[in-house]
Amino acid sequence: DSGVTQTPKHLITATGQRVTLRCSPRSGDLSVYWYQQSLDQGLQFLIQYYNGEERAKGNILERFSAQQFPDLHSELNLSSLELGDSALYFCASSEQGKKSQPQHFGDGTRLSIL
Amino acid sequence: ELKVEQNPLFLSMQEGKNYTIYCNYSTTSDRLYWYRQDPGKSLESLFVLLSNGAVKQEGRLMASLDTKARLSTLHITAAVHDLSATYFCAVDTSFGNEKLTFGTGTRLTIIP
Repeated sequence: DSGVTQTPKHLITATGQRVTLRCSPRSGDLSVYWYQQSLDQGLQFLIQYYNGEERAKGNILERFSAQQFPDLHSELNLSSLELGDSALYFCASSEQGKKSQPQHFGDGTRLSIL
Repeated sequence: ELKVEQNPLFLSMQEGKNYTIYCNYSTTSDRLYWYRQDPGKSLESLFVLLSNGAVKQEGRLMASLDTKARLSTLHITAAVHDLSATYFCAVDTSFGNEKLTFGTGTRLTIIP
Protein backbone atom coordinates (compact mmCIF):
# COMPACT_ATOMS: atom_id res chain seq x y z
CA ASP A 1 0.00 0.00 0.00
CA SER A 2 1.60 3.23 -1.21
CA GLY A 3 -0.56 5.45 1.00
CA VAL A 4 -1.92 7.30 -2.04
CA THR A 5 -5.69 6.91 -2.39
CA GLN A 6 -7.54 7.37 -5.66
CA THR A 7 -11.28 7.28 -6.23
CA PRO A 8 -13.17 5.97 -8.02
CA LYS A 9 -11.36 2.84 -9.17
CA HIS A 10 -13.46 2.53 -12.30
CA LEU A 11 -15.49 5.04 -14.24
CA ILE A 12 -17.62 4.38 -17.29
CA THR A 13 -19.20 7.28 -19.11
CA ALA A 14 -20.12 8.54 -22.55
CA THR A 15 -18.53 10.93 -25.01
CA GLY A 16 -19.12 14.59 -24.27
CA GLN A 17 -19.49 14.04 -20.54
CA ARG A 18 -17.45 15.44 -17.66
CA VAL A 19 -15.84 13.49 -14.82
CA THR A 20 -13.79 14.24 -11.72
CA LEU A 21 -11.04 11.99 -10.42
CA ARG A 22 -9.91 12.36 -6.83
CA CYS A 23 -6.58 11.76 -5.15
CA SER A 24 -5.44 11.88 -1.53
CA PRO A 25 -1.66 11.97 -1.19
CA ARG A 26 0.45 10.18 1.39
CA SER A 27 0.51 11.83 4.77
CA GLY A 28 3.10 14.59 4.76
CA ASP A 29 3.53 14.78 0.98
CA LEU A 30 2.93 18.24 -0.42
CA SER A 31 3.36 17.39 -4.10
CA VAL A 32 0.75 15.64 -6.21
CA TYR A 33 1.29 14.48 -9.78
CA TRP A 34 -1.17 13.21 -12.37
CA TYR A 35 -0.23 10.74 -15.11
CA GLN A 36 -2.17 9.13 -17.93
CA GLN A 37 -1.40 5.59 -19.07
CA SER A 38 -2.76 4.36 -22.39
CA LEU A 39 -1.72 1.67 -24.82
CA ASP A 40 -0.75 4.08 -27.59
CA GLN A 41 0.80 6.92 -25.55
CA GLY A 42 2.35 4.97 -22.69
CA LEU A 43 2.77 6.72 -19.33
CA GLN A 44 2.57 10.49 -19.72
CA PHE A 45 2.95 13.23 -17.14
CA LEU A 46 -0.02 15.57 -17.06
CA ILE A 47 0.44 18.07 -14.26
CA GLN A 48 1.98 18.64 -10.82
CA TYR A 49 0.75 20.63 -7.84
CA TYR A 50 2.76 21.62 -4.82
CA ASN A 51 0.99 22.83 -1.69
CA GLY A 52 -1.95 24.12 -3.68
CA GLU A 53 -0.02 25.75 -6.52
CA GLU A 54 0.53 24.44 -10.03
CA ARG A 55 4.21 23.54 -10.31
CA ALA A 56 4.77 21.80 -13.63
CA LYS A 57 2.71 21.05 -16.67
CA GLY A 58 3.06 18.28 -19.20
CA ASN A 59 0.94 16.99 -22.03
CA ILE A 60 -2.36 18.00 -20.51
CA LEU A 61 -5.20 18.84 -22.87
CA GLU A 62 -7.10 22.10 -22.51
CA ARG A 63 -10.22 20.04 -21.78
CA PHE A 64 -8.50 18.76 -18.64
CA SER A 65 -7.87 20.74 -15.49
CA ALA A 66 -6.71 20.00 -11.99
CA GLN A 67 -6.47 21.62 -8.61
CA GLN A 68 -5.08 20.89 -5.17
CA PHE A 69 -7.08 21.87 -2.14
CA PRO A 70 -5.93 23.21 1.25
CA ASP A 71 -6.15 19.71 2.74
CA LEU A 72 -3.74 18.66 -0.08
CA HIS A 73 -6.11 16.33 -1.87
CA SER A 74 -6.27 16.87 -5.61
CA GLU A 75 -8.88 16.53 -8.30
CA LEU A 76 -8.44 16.02 -12.02
CA ASN A 77 -11.37 17.23 -14.10
CA LEU A 78 -11.87 15.84 -17.59
CA SER A 79 -14.52 17.43 -19.79
CA SER A 80 -15.96 17.00 -23.27
CA LEU A 81 -14.73 13.45 -23.11
CA GLU A 82 -13.65 11.66 -26.26
CA LEU A 83 -13.10 7.97 -26.94
CA GLY A 84 -9.36 8.57 -26.92
CA ASP A 85 -9.49 9.72 -23.29
CA SER A 86 -10.08 6.13 -22.21
CA ALA A 87 -7.04 5.32 -20.09
CA LEU A 88 -5.72 4.56 -16.65
CA TYR A 89 -5.15 7.78 -14.70
CA PHE A 90 -2.62 7.67 -11.90
CA CYS A 91 -1.99 10.06 -9.10
CA ALA A 92 1.37 10.09 -7.34
CA SER A 93 2.73 12.04 -4.41
CA SER A 94 6.13 12.89 -2.99
CA GLU A 95 8.01 15.23 -0.72
CA GLN A 96 8.91 18.18 -2.91
CA GLY A 97 12.57 18.56 -3.74
CA LYS A 98 13.56 15.22 -2.21
CA LYS A 99 15.10 13.69 -5.30
CA SER A 100 16.25 10.73 -3.23
CA GLN A 101 12.63 9.76 -2.69
CA PRO A 102 10.55 8.22 -5.47
CA GLN A 103 7.08 9.31 -6.36
CA HIS A 104 4.52 6.99 -4.79
CA PHE A 105 1.65 5.96 -7.03
CA GLY A 106 -1.98 5.26 -6.24
CA ASP A 107 -3.91 2.34 -7.70
CA GLY A 108 -5.29 4.48 -10.51
CA THR A 109 -8.71 5.23 -11.92
CA ARG A 110 -9.65 3.31 -15.04
CA LEU A 111 -11.74 5.55 -17.27
CA SER A 112 -13.76 3.97 -20.07
CA ILE A 113 -15.55 6.17 -22.59
CA LEU A 114 -18.37 4.49 -24.50
CA GLU B 1 12.44 17.12 -25.78
CA LEU B 2 13.60 14.34 -23.50
CA LYS B 3 13.27 10.85 -24.94
CA VAL B 4 13.56 7.71 -22.83
CA GLU B 5 13.92 4.42 -24.65
CA GLN B 6 13.88 0.95 -23.21
CA ASN B 7 14.85 -2.29 -24.82
CA PRO B 8 13.74 -4.86 -25.26
CA LEU B 9 10.02 -4.05 -25.23
CA PHE B 10 9.13 -7.67 -24.62
CA LEU B 11 11.24 -10.32 -22.97
CA SER B 12 10.46 -13.97 -22.34
CA MET B 13 13.01 -15.82 -20.34
CA GLN B 14 13.29 -19.11 -18.58
CA GLU B 15 13.49 -19.43 -14.87
CA GLY B 16 17.04 -19.48 -13.63
CA LYS B 17 18.45 -17.39 -16.48
CA ASN B 18 20.04 -13.94 -16.33
CA TYR B 19 19.11 -10.96 -18.45
CA THR B 20 19.47 -7.20 -18.68
CA ILE B 21 16.98 -4.46 -19.55
CA TYR B 22 18.43 -1.25 -20.98
CA CYS B 23 17.20 2.32 -20.55
CA ASN B 24 18.66 5.10 -22.70
CA TYR B 25 17.77 8.75 -22.33
CA SER B 26 18.54 11.75 -24.50
CA THR B 27 19.19 14.61 -22.05
CA THR B 28 21.64 15.03 -19.20
CA SER B 29 20.21 13.84 -15.91
CA ASP B 30 21.54 12.33 -12.72
CA ARG B 31 18.18 11.12 -11.46
CA LEU B 32 16.76 7.87 -12.70
CA TYR B 33 14.04 5.68 -11.20
CA TRP B 34 12.95 2.10 -11.85
CA TYR B 35 9.37 1.00 -11.30
CA ARG B 36 7.54 -2.30 -11.58
CA GLN B 37 3.93 -2.65 -12.70
CA ASP B 38 1.83 -5.82 -12.52
CA PRO B 39 -1.04 -6.05 -15.05
CA GLY B 40 -3.79 -3.57 -14.23
CA LYS B 41 -2.03 -2.51 -11.05
CA SER B 42 -0.17 0.48 -9.71
CA LEU B 43 3.52 1.31 -10.12
CA GLU B 44 5.83 0.11 -7.38
CA SER B 45 9.13 1.89 -6.84
CA LEU B 46 12.15 -0.40 -7.14
CA PHE B 47 15.26 1.78 -7.27
CA VAL B 48 16.35 5.40 -7.10
CA LEU B 49 19.68 6.14 -8.82
CA LEU B 50 21.11 9.58 -8.16
CA SER B 51 24.68 9.71 -9.40
CA ASN B 52 27.04 8.43 -12.03
CA GLY B 53 28.13 4.91 -11.19
CA ALA B 54 25.31 4.35 -8.73
CA VAL B 55 24.44 0.70 -8.21
CA LYS B 56 21.51 -0.60 -6.19
CA GLN B 57 20.54 -4.21 -5.52
CA GLU B 58 17.42 -5.80 -4.09
CA GLY B 59 17.10 -9.56 -4.24
CA ARG B 60 17.53 -10.77 -7.80
CA LEU B 61 17.40 -7.27 -9.28
CA MET B 62 20.32 -4.90 -9.68
CA ALA B 63 20.18 -1.43 -11.24
CA SER B 64 23.03 0.81 -12.35
CA LEU B 65 23.42 4.27 -13.82
CA ASP B 66 26.01 5.67 -16.23
CA THR B 67 25.21 9.35 -16.64
CA LYS B 68 27.96 9.92 -19.20
CA ALA B 69 26.51 7.27 -21.50
CA ARG B 70 22.95 8.30 -20.48
CA LEU B 71 22.27 4.65 -19.79
CA SER B 72 20.76 2.67 -16.97
CA THR B 73 20.51 -1.09 -16.76
CA LEU B 74 18.28 -3.40 -14.76
CA HIS B 75 19.89 -6.81 -14.38
CA ILE B 76 17.90 -9.87 -13.44
CA THR B 77 19.76 -12.77 -11.88
CA ALA B 78 18.41 -16.34 -11.81
CA ALA B 79 14.90 -15.22 -12.78
CA VAL B 80 11.89 -16.59 -10.94
CA HIS B 81 8.23 -16.49 -11.99
CA ASP B 82 7.36 -13.79 -9.44
CA LEU B 83 9.47 -11.32 -11.39
CA SER B 84 7.04 -11.41 -14.33
CA ALA B 85 5.81 -7.81 -14.71
CA THR B 86 6.37 -4.67 -16.76
CA TYR B 87 9.40 -2.65 -15.77
CA PHE B 88 9.67 1.08 -16.40
CA CYS B 89 12.57 3.45 -16.09
CA ALA B 90 11.82 7.12 -15.54
CA VAL B 91 14.08 10.14 -15.82
CA ASP B 92 13.77 13.44 -13.97
CA THR B 93 15.52 16.44 -15.51
CA SER B 94 13.89 19.05 -13.30
CA PHE B 95 15.36 20.68 -10.22
CA GLY B 96 14.02 18.11 -7.83
CA ASN B 97 11.51 15.31 -8.07
CA GLU B 98 9.07 16.88 -10.38
CA LYS B 99 8.04 15.76 -13.81
CA LEU B 100 9.06 12.19 -14.65
CA THR B 101 9.48 11.07 -18.24
CA PHE B 102 8.85 7.35 -18.49
CA GLY B 103 10.33 4.84 -20.86
CA THR B 104 8.16 2.60 -22.99
CA GLY B 105 8.33 -0.24 -20.49
CA THR B 106 9.68 -3.78 -20.81
CA ARG B 107 7.15 -6.57 -20.40
CA LEU B 108 8.99 -9.44 -18.77
CA THR B 109 7.57 -12.96 -18.77
CA ILE B 110 9.36 -15.68 -16.85
CA ILE B 111 8.65 -19.13 -18.20
CA PRO B 112 8.91 -22.11 -15.83
